[in-house]
This record gives sequence, C-alpha cells and structure tokens, in this order.
Amino acid sequence: KAGVTQTPRYLIKTRGQQVTLSCSPISGHRSVSWYQQTPGQGLQFLFEYFSETQRNKGNFPGRFSGRQFSNSRSEMNVSTLELGDSALYLCASSLAVADGTSGVFYEQYFGPGTRLTVT
Amino acid sequence: ELKVEQNPLFLSMQEGKNYTIYCNYSTTSDRLYWYRQDPGKSLESLFVLLSNGAVKQEGRLMASLDTKARLSTLHITAAVHDLSATYFCAVDGSATNKLIFGTGTLLAVQP
Repeated sequence: KAGVTQTPRYLIKTRGQQVTLSCSPISGHRSVSWYQQTPGQGLQFLFEYFSETQRNKGNFPGRFSGRQFSNSRSEMNVSTLELGDSALYLCASSLAVADGTSGVFYEQYFGPGTRLTVT
Repeated sequence: ELKVEQNPLFLSMQEGKNYTIYCNYSTTSDRLYWYRQDPGKSLESLFVLLSNGAVKQEGRLMASLDTKARLSTLHITAAVHDLSATYFCAVDGSATNKLIFGTGTLLAVQP
C-alpha cells in the first residue's frame, strides 16, 4: 500500500508571496491533518479535514487555510508569507480504528513533509 | 489547554546502557502516541497506548501509560547507535484526532 505523499518536497519563496502544498493520503483514509514543525515552536497542529470538511483547527492565523477534495487529497495554502513561516510542513492521513471499548482512535501516518523556506 | 512535556530534552548515552524518557500531559486522555524522527525525515509511529496500564514493546523500546498520573515512559534497553533519533510523545485531546506533541527528546547513542 502506498504511503502518504506530499508535493513539492522543497520550496523557496519570498516574503509576501503565497504557497500551496499538496498531500495525497493513504488509499481509504478520509482524514488528513496538517502540522507545522519549527525548531522554536516544535510540532504544531494546523487543521484536519475529513470528508471535505474542516473538522479541527489549531491556533494559526487566517493566512493558513486548507481544503480537501472528494478523493481525500488535501491542499494547504499560506498567503502573504512571513519569514516565520519557514518550516517543515507535515501531512498525516488517518483512519478511525475501534479501541476495544466503545471508542475509536486515529493512528496518523505522516508523509515525508514539505520543507518551506521563506526569504 | 492541553500541554505535553517531555524530559529530558537531550539525552546522550553510551551503547549498552538503559534509560527512560518521560512524557507528562496536563489533561485527561487515554490515548498516547510515541513517534520517532530521524534528522530531516518525517515521523514514524512507534507505539499507540490506549488505556491505563498499557505496555507495548518493540525490540529495545518499551512504552507504558499511567493515565492517573498522566505519565507515559519510553524505556530504552541496551541502547545501540541505530536508536539515535528524536522521540516525540503526543496526546489527542478527547479523541479529536488533533495531536498535541511534546517538545521531543533528542537521543544520541555514543559507541
């Protein structure tokens, strides 16, 4: 089974520009989450999409947005880039799994990431 | 607000030694995840702990969860160089599929 793929893998942009990153989840996974990883702030949750709807959102400004298509592929967009947006952006796909009681858990499978550098 | 703390942040150890990484979290959660990240790479899932008292082992790594103490541990037995990486714990608040990660522990195993 193919894993999570992200494109592009590396990107260099200039302050003020916008960027779109793409994520293709594992076949059959309907949930896609996005995380930002920086040396200063660590790993931070951006948002999660499930069946084309944003289901969870982290504490990021409105410049960060995303969407999900009917085939579960997801894109995230960052407008008006700032130097602080330089980071590794990770996408994760997940499937709800019964936890053996009455609930579910989501095991997230991460893609290779997109390294964004803003100059 | 859910917070996750790991310690130590950096761990340098010799091959063959044992050590433990600690992960504390601030609110009730029955689900605790451990990931490994190699330099410049993505996150690899190691363990999913789903209930109080859960213990899982894979090779030289063993993870446990105490939900009452809000504490998980990752124990390394007889470390080898291949275990050098950054290890993260994460919690999902109220099964929301929104992972809150700890700060990470950079493990360097010296020959």
